[in-house]
Amino acid sequence: GQQLNQSPQSMFIQEGEDVSMNCTSSSIFNTWLWYKQDPGEGPVLLIALYKAGELTSNGRLTAQFGITRKDSFLNISASIPSDVGIYFCAGQASGTYKYIFGTGTRLKVLA
Amino acid sequence: KAGVTQTPRYLIKTRGQQVTLSCSPISGHRSVSWYQQTPGQGLQFLFEYFSETQRNKGNFPGRFSGRQFSNSRSEMNVSTLELGDSALYLCASSSGGVETSYTFGSGTRLTVV
Repeated sequence: GQQLNQSPQSMFIQEGEDVSMNCTSSSIFNTWLWYKQDPGEGPVLLIALYKAGELTSNGRLTAQFGITRKDSFLNISASIPSDVGIYFCAGQASGTYKYIFGTGTRLKVLA
Repeated sequence: KAGVTQTPRYLIKTRGQQVTLSCSPISGHRSVSWYQQTPGQGLQFLFEYFSETQRNKGNFPGRFSGRQFSNSRSEMNVSTLELGDSALYLCASSSGGVETSYTFGSGTRLTVV
């Protein structure tokens, strides 16, 4: 099935460090979403982006909708142990109602 | 408002059997999308229902089917189960318009033995 390229695939970081991850597509998207999934649970929406160039924050999280509309970025500042989980990006192309998901970034925080 | 409810949470079935999973969306939401999540393949889109009609379909075999009722609740059915169907099945609820986000349920963990 179709998927977005998300990187890195996984990362270990020290508590307090900043984290960056990104998602790229060969298609243009009108909407980008970022989710976090904890083990055994469904993904939870973190940030939604609806306009190219848009920069949106949610607490320590900041996400950007790339100008080319083919990429998006998520930054987490001052990571804490509860940031552990899998982060997914999702994009929706113009005229469609479905979201394509990235392959996920598994984040592990070392206290 | 109440979130997305998926039942059952866990299921163990034998190869060749069939299974039905249920999803109740957020009140007022008319769209339900289904995804299969496996460690190797990530989140794969199965299909989306809006106002009782299948509006989008992924690339899964015909053994995977679904339906949506007038109250927007949706069911997903998998017939002739295979070992490879073992996965977390997630449903996502939305209002159904473009540029609207999904709210996911906790999923149904299906194990085929």
